[in-house]
Amino acid sequence: DTEVTQTPKHLVMGMTNKKSLKCEQHMGHRAMYWYKQKAKKPPELMFVYSYEKLSINESVPSRFSPECPNSSLLNLHLHALQPEDSALYLCASSQPPGPSRNTQYFGPGTRLTVL
Amino acid sequence: DAKTTQPTSMDCAEGRAANLPCNHSTISGNEYVYWYRQIHSQGPQYIIHGLKNNETNEMASLIITEDRKSSTLILPHATLRDTAVYYCIVRGVTTNAGKSTFGDGTTLTVKP
Repeated sequence: DTEVTQTPKHLVMGMTNKKSLKCEQHMGHRAMYWYKQKAKKPPELMFVYSYEKLSINESVPSRFSPECPNSSLLNLHLHALQPEDSALYLCASSQPPGPSRNTQYFGPGTRLTVL
Repeated sequence: DAKTTQPTSMDCAEGRAANLPCNHSTISGNEYVYWYRQIHSQGPQYIIHGLKNNETNEMASLIITEDRKSSTLILPHATLRDTAVYYCIVRGVTTNAGKSTFGDGTTLTVKP
């Protein structure tokens, strides 16, 4: 099973709302990732968690707050977003970095629209 | 992580082999070459990866040049469902190996 699930599939929110994106995997992976993808652009890395600890934050604004409650779950809490934050948000998981262990498996994404 | 360069777009006739090139001239000795594809508005799908030897799986073959500065992904019998954006990524094996950059990718269009 190489499935990463993400909920919701679509989300529309106002700039004053607070919402959360959820990601789940049951492959025993200990590294999880959030990416942001704008239309017709490649995915951009936002955060990396390794063994449930934040290991990489790519200078993401504080209105995005990641959380890794356990090894299978990854959340992205959203607050006071701007319309330019509208994008496809992708979650991925992999084994922790190591030789031939960095294959990332992606979820289907959450399409976020900020009004 | 090394930067990759790919052609912006390619066409391929259905049933023919699709050969997608990637240049990674600054690759380091411990960096792997990964290929992913993304069908419109879906999550990227892992295809194949390799270090220095050629690799083959049920989806594709990966040919890496001897100097490792370039590689080619081969889809042996392209179908219409192979129309997608194909990304070549170079990824290391250090602590921050999870950090890797997607290039702009190649949009492959398979035509009937």
